[in-house]
Amino acid sequence: NAGVMQNPRHLVRRRGQEARLRCSPMKGHSHVYWYRQLPEEGLKFMVYLQKENIIDESGMPKERFSAEFPKEGPSILRIQQVVRGDSAAYFCASSPSLIAKNIQYFGAGTRLSVL
Amino acid sequence: DQQVKQNSPSLSVQEGRISILNCDYTNSMFDYFLWYKKYPAEGPTFLISISSIKDKNEDGRFTVFLNKSAKHLSLHIVPSQPGDSAVYFCAASVGTGNQFYFGTGTSLTVIP
Repeated sequence: NAGVMQNPRHLVRRRGQEARLRCSPMKGHSHVYWYRQLPEEGLKFMVYLQKENIIDESGMPKERFSAEFPKEGPSILRIQQVVRGDSAAYFCASSPSLIAKNIQYFGAGTRLSVL
Repeated sequence: DQQVKQNSPSLSVQEGRISILNCDYTNSMFDYFLWYKKYPAEGPTFLISISSIKDKNEDGRFTVFLNKSAKHLSLHIVPSQPGDSAVYFCAASVGTGNQFYFGTGTSLTVIP
């Protein structure tokens, strides 16, 4: 059973370009979370999605950032017109149904560098 | 507003001794707490958790203690091994399925 898969592992973008980060949850998991880790900081929640629904986007910047988790395919975190301050590690986590033990399983992350 | 705090950025312990990592929180609504371990260039790996109805949970060499009145939890690793060297994050949540609030991490070094 493969774990949470994130790609790419490293992404370099110039200011003003778009960044697309992908996350495939563990098999059987229908809940996806995105977190961002800035240097020397802990992980900060961005958004929580279930298939085709955004459940909680309270941690998402209001502009330039969007997320989706379509019926088929991976979850996508999209950052438009990237700026240097977007440089960070972006982690995706997945969990099974809410009935199950409340553990989030993390991917290895995507390290975004904005030049 | 940092609701979960790990005030020790780093800790060094001799192999075989006990490692104690501490975590404080401010939100009294938190009812579920976890510890994650993270190696460089990898994602956090779940270690151990505790519900607010308990004050202790043990799993092998790892024990988590929860003091609700002090809003404090700690992770004990006994005996510490060099492979335990990593960054440890504590996390907390309100209810099931909601976001986790993470501390800033403590970097543990176990000296052989």
